[in-house]
Amino acid sequence: RKEVEQDPGPFNVPEGATVAFNCTYSNSASQSFFWYRQDCRKEPKLLMSVYSSGNEDGRFTAQLNRASQYISLLIRDSKLSDSATYLCVGTSGNTPLVFGKGTRLSVIA
Amino acid sequence: DAGITQSPRHKVTETGTPVTLRCHQTENHRYMYWYRQDPGHGLRLIHYSYGVKDTDKGEVSDGYSVSRSKTEDFLLTLESATSSQTSVYFCAISEPRGSGNEQYFGPGTRLTVT
Repeated sequence: RKEVEQDPGPFNVPEGATVAFNCTYSNSASQSFFWYRQDCRKEPKLLMSVYSSGNEDGRFTAQLNRASQYISLLIRDSKLSDSATYLCVGTSGNTPLVFGKGTRLSVIA
Repeated sequence: DAGITQSPRHKVTETGTPVTLRCHQTENHRYMYWYRQDPGHGLRLIHYSYGVKDTDKGEVSDGYSVSRSKTEDFLLTLESATSSQTSVYFCAISEPRGSGNEQYFGPGTRLTVT
């Protein structure tokens, strides 16, 4: 079983909508989690770190549920510029990150 | 943006030829990584380094070797390129602190093996 799994989407949402992605992980030893954003033909860029129960940054909220072994990303008031692929990542200590395959989001005018 | 560059940015090569990709950082980060990204597979770790001359294999290391003789440079070599190694290659760096290990990525190298 893949260590990190994401719904590949695509999620097609209108501008202004709220959208949520989930990511499940199988390694219960994972301590740190991250969400990355990747635009087409570009490198992944760190969006948010999730160290404890959750994290909020403007329109973006990340939640961690250790009991159910999933993390989520909530985007409120979606903008056209939010269209991208969102990658979920988990790690334990200094071990290399394990990336999910990504969830594609398209925000439509 | 983190100071990470990759060279070349694009390369077309023939099957059987050796290819070396370079990753250069100006952040003095201890860890460096090479990934490949392919449709349907996401990012897969090839090799990583946790210090000068200290490297380890990732999940897709066959056909690849790496070297790190200086903190700032991490080289990825395809010993004899095959068409299955056509991909986008990303380098990343990190400096783990506590339980955190955020990675920062270079712009990528698009490699085509014909």
